[in-house]
Amino acid sequence: QQQVKQSPQSLIVQKGGISIINCAYENTAFDYFPWYQQFPGKGPALLIAIRPDVSEKKEGRFTISFNKSAKQFSLHIMDSQPGDSATYFCAASSDTGNQFYFGTGTSLTVIP
Amino acid sequence: EAQVTQNPRYLITVTGKKLTVTCSQNMNHEYMSWYRQDPGLGLRQIYYSMNVEVTDKGDVPEGYKVSRKEKRNFPLILESPSPNQTSLYFCASSLRTSGSMQYFGPGTRLTVL
Repeated sequence: QQQVKQSPQSLIVQKGGISIINCAYENTAFDYFPWYQQFPGKGPALLIAIRPDVSEKKEGRFTISFNKSAKQFSLHIMDSQPGDSATYFCAASSDTGNQFYFGTGTSLTVIP
Repeated sequence: EAQVTQNPRYLITVTGKKLTVTCSQNMNHEYMSWYRQDPGLGLRQIYYSMNVEVTDKGDVPEGYKVSRKEKRNFPLILESPSPNQTSLYFCASSLRTSGSMQYFGPGTRLTVL
């Protein structure tokens, strides 16, 4: 059973537009929600992460929105650029558990 | 430079021939993990280790073994590889589990014929 469900599977956005990727989880013990960015031929790299005690975290053009009651979180990429074209993974883990759970990934293409 | 290294980067083998993929980190991290990445399935955790001599199964451990004899190394062993283990494998390390950034290696592309 997929612990973290991610959508959409793929996304095409015009340069300058907003990219939005959504994730949902069931396990209320999760308390750390990172997003990873992966370019072809590379390993994933941490982009931004959030804890459930805040509803939003912003770093540059990247924002995580977190809805604890709905058990959902999303990544917003403002002013999307062709260099943002990559695969994005959401993930979740907890202090009481020892595992990381990843979503199935979203392939983002930003068209110039 | 803080990094996780994996070897080999590419490997083609045949069914049943034992192989080992090495993983090493230079950050003195306690937590290390192996993932496999398959199209449409994302990253799935195979095994993880909380510290030296402490390992545990992830979501897809069947057909794999690991060991953690030293803090920096966490090899993945396939004693009798099968074609369904053809995948892209990543090793990762972090200070701890939750709230801690994972550093990923560059990946190992494995093909089992």
